[in-house]
Amino acid sequence: AQSVTQPDIHITVSEGASLELRCNYSYGATPYLFWYVQSPGQGLQLLLKYFSGDTLVQGIKGFEAEFKRSQSSFNLRKPSVHWSDAAEYFCAVGAGQAGTALIFGKGTTLSVSS
Amino acid sequence: DGGITQSPKYLFRKEGQNVTLSCEQNLNHDAMYWYRQDPGQGLRLIYYSQIVNDFQKGDIAEGYSVSREKKESFPLTVTSAQKNPTAFYLCASSNTPDGMGGYTFGSGTRLTVV
Repeated sequence: AQSVTQPDIHITVSEGASLELRCNYSYGATPYLFWYVQSPGQGLQLLLKYFSGDTLVQGIKGFEAEFKRSQSSFNLRKPSVHWSDAAEYFCAVGAGQAGTALIFGKGTTLSVSS
Repeated sequence: DGGITQSPKYLFRKEGQNVTLSCEQNLNHDAMYWYRQDPGQGLRLIYYSQIVNDFQKGDIAEGYSVSREKKESFPLTVTSAQKNPTAFYLCASSNTPDGMGGYTFGSGTRLTVV
């Protein structure tokens, strides 16, 4: 069965500092991986996705993520965090097959300090 | 602009009542999904539908029901059998049955039992 683990419940980063949010997945085949962001009381917005090709993927808002098969990881990074990046971030995995749905991690809350 | 509309934004339910959450999309997406979000629990799949007049149970379907009579609409009914319905409910859609393009989310409905 697929599963997603986000080891960090809450992270605080200083504005301008770099960010890395961790995501580990469990899946037998090549997974389809996603990162979403959620502002308080809102729906989720897709940041980026990976399902084949270059293991470093670029997303919106200056985010990138790297797929590492050997580590079963798909960590999200940003070189310089802005106060507006404070939100909850979710990693998700999918089988990429009709009749299935995405499995989400429990999320990491990002706080940005000035 | 195309998108997903969830209504109402806030909903209060008395013990023993059934309530229906609305989800409408004008994206011409075939697949639609309902997730429940609780603090620290991430998103858990309730039901999903890949095509009109067909839907599948997710991980936590007990106490919920859905219908998919039109492509644009995927309402969720929270029945009195759901013992702990207070949560944030998110509807999503995908333009492909396998979800590879990522999901578009509505802005959610917060349900509270009073």
